[in-house]
Amino acid sequence: GAVVSQHPSWVICKSGTSVKIECRSLDFQATTMFWYRQFPKQSLMLMATSNEGSKATYEQGVEKDKFLINHASLTLSTLTVTSAHPEDSSFYICSAPLGLEGFNEQFFGPGTRLTVL
Amino acid sequence: GNSVTQMEGPVTLSEEAFLTINCTYTATGYPSLFWYVQYPGEGLQLLLKATKADDKGSNKGFEATYRKETTSFHLEKGSVQVSDSAVYFCALSEGTGGSYIPTFGRGTSLIVHP
Repeated sequence: GAVVSQHPSWVICKSGTSVKIECRSLDFQATTMFWYRQFPKQSLMLMATSNEGSKATYEQGVEKDKFLINHASLTLSTLTVTSAHPEDSSFYICSAPLGLEGFNEQFFGPGTRLTVL
Repeated sequence: GNSVTQMEGPVTLSEEAFLTINCTYTATGYPSLFWYVQYPGEGLQLLLKATKADDKGSNKGFEATYRKETTSFHLEKGSVQVSDSAVYFCALSEGTGGSYIPTFGRGTSLIVHP
């Protein structure tokens, strides 16, 4: 099946620093990727839709200046958490659909655990 | 907007017990429905899917039937194993005009004891 990777798998940083998380589709092209935040009680919160060659679409309540998304190529999207604070500590997951229609499944990255001290 | 509601967990069962995890949805059109599973320490992966009414998705002994009349997609397994312990997410995706943002339920944790 299709593979999506994320890097790094975990990161610890100091408050006020910025952290970049990469999401790559390894064996297929993805014009769209999705970024989620997973909270301790398992729920997935969709943060934004990353669109190759255009601006990301952010969900309501997600600060676009805080969570910068860049979809530079058909296989790479990056999420940068700027000026991270402890409340940004979470598990960040990306996914990419295979195909152009909503009927296809999402392929998920393994997630990135961010801890802000 | 679209939404997915699934039963609260955790669901705790003994090995070989019957499993049902309820999932209902609301959608403006005709979505595809999915169950994803997240094993401890791993990312989400597709368990099964159904793309139209009355379709039955099945995989690894799990089944779910797309019920349009009740807007449901309940997950079932006749005999669970310890290795099925994981978090299960019901989801929908609606392809409308090129927009197909996935919508997920909150997840249901399943714990299977030997």
